[in-house]
Amino acid sequence: GAGVSQSPSNKVTEKGKDVELRCDPISGHTALYWYRQRLGQGLEFLIYFQGNSAPDKSGLPSDRFSAERTGESVSTLTIQRTQQEDSAVYLCGSGGAPGELFFGEGSRLTVL
Amino acid sequence: AQSVTQLDSQVPVFEEAPVELRCNYSSSVSVYLFWYVQYPNQGLQLLLKYLSGSTLVKGINGFEAEFNKSQTSFHLRKPSVHISDTAEYFCAVRTQGGSEKLVFGKGTKLTVNP
Repeated sequence: GAGVSQSPSNKVTEKGKDVELRCDPISGHTALYWYRQRLGQGLEFLIYFQGNSAPDKSGLPSDRFSAERTGESVSTLTIQRTQQEDSAVYLCGSGGAPGELFFGEGSRLTVL
Repeated sequence: AQSVTQLDSQVPVFEEAPVELRCNYSSSVSVYLFWYVQYPNQGLQLLLKYLSGSTLVKGINGFEAEFNKSQTSFHLRKPSVHISDTAEYFCAVRTQGGSEKLVFGKGTKLTVNP
């Protein structure tokens, strides 16, 4: 597609439920990043994929968070047993050149 | 590990005034530096980047930034701002080689008043 597409754009869930967020990167982009943006805060790095290399998972806050990516295509971020502190906008960015990322509009997650 | 500090969380200015948004970074190795902008209710977009070469880089919408290695800074400037520049601005750093993790600062909210 023309840009990075994220779905759902909004998700409201109950505490304890699992959620899955999806990111469709720009075709041909080898790098894919997930960030979390809490209200009034900066971007918190979660995970980074580059082609078929092992992902950099150093930013995942707990073992409730996981992410997958098949080759250079779609990525899914899964949060298990959601907590209220997981409420945030989850941003996905893809890119080809170092640090030059194109971002989606994010998935806003609200945990009640 | 690299880190980024944006010293001002909010910067209010009047239209047509100059503005400088400050960014300092910390890294033990050489870095690439970036500024991203997030307009209200929109996604982030790249404003400008420093990879190598000239330390003064120009970006979109009349913004420019200067890389100062000795002061580990990458401040963003515009000589005359418009109402439409109201947005949140994020500085980001990535090391050259090694991990390709892109680390962002906490952002500076620029509000341009008439």
